Amino acid sequence: DARVTQTPRHKVTEMGQEVTMRCQPILGHNTVFWYRQTMMQGLELLAYFRNRAPLDDSGMPKDRFSAEMPDATLATLKIQPSEPRDSAVYFCASGLSQDLYSNQPQHFGDGTRLSIL
Amino acid sequence: GQQVMQIPQYQHVQEGEDFTTYCNSSTTLSNIQWYKQRPGGHPVFLIQLVKSGEVKKQKRLTFQFGEAKKNSSLHITATQTTDVGTYFCAGPQGGKLIFGQGTELSVKP
Repeated sequence: DARVTQTPRHKVTEMGQEVTMRCQPILGHNTVFWYRQTMMQGLELLAYFRNRAPLDDSGMPKDRFSAEMPDATLATLKIQPSEPRDSAVYFCASGLSQDLYSNQPQHFGDGTRLSIL
Repeated sequence: GQQVMQIPQYQHVQEGEDFTTYCNSSTTLSNIQWYKQRPGGHPVFLIQLVKSGEVKKQKRLTFQFGEAKKNSSLHITATQTTDVGTYFCAGPQGGKLIFGQGTELSVKP
């Protein structure tokens, strides 16, 4: 079965360090989403791309977070500098959309469990 | 902005009992999706409803989309321990999804 692959699965680092999370979407999918999940806030959309172009990053703290898609097989989410409040599970999801407004099922990766000490 | 609310937040049932979670949107939805997340896992797509008043079944799971397309429900008949997890509804906003807070279901054997 095709699946979304995220690395690393777990990351523990100290406050102030740079964190890079990677996502390989399902081959052929043209939309990629980054979510953050915490007990308090639930599942929050941070950013999403369609055909590698960023469409919405309004959910992302701009001063320390950045999201990119260097190519169709790789999406990255970076935090620099990291803070303890960034501790969460970060999910990447991909889907196939026919246009800007269609909503097809999203396929989630296993997530990156991030702890900032 | 658009909001998607789910109730209840938690539900504890005895195995064999039924379970229902409700989803309400502040705006009319073109469609609604449901996902399940097992403990320690990731959300997994269950189903998408598109038509007003639509009802779809997957074995013991029954999904409904309201006539006004502003609410939806998921009903599980005779719960099993394998049903444990958090159930999310999600409504579209442009090309993205707005997820509800989820209903966490626990099942006591």
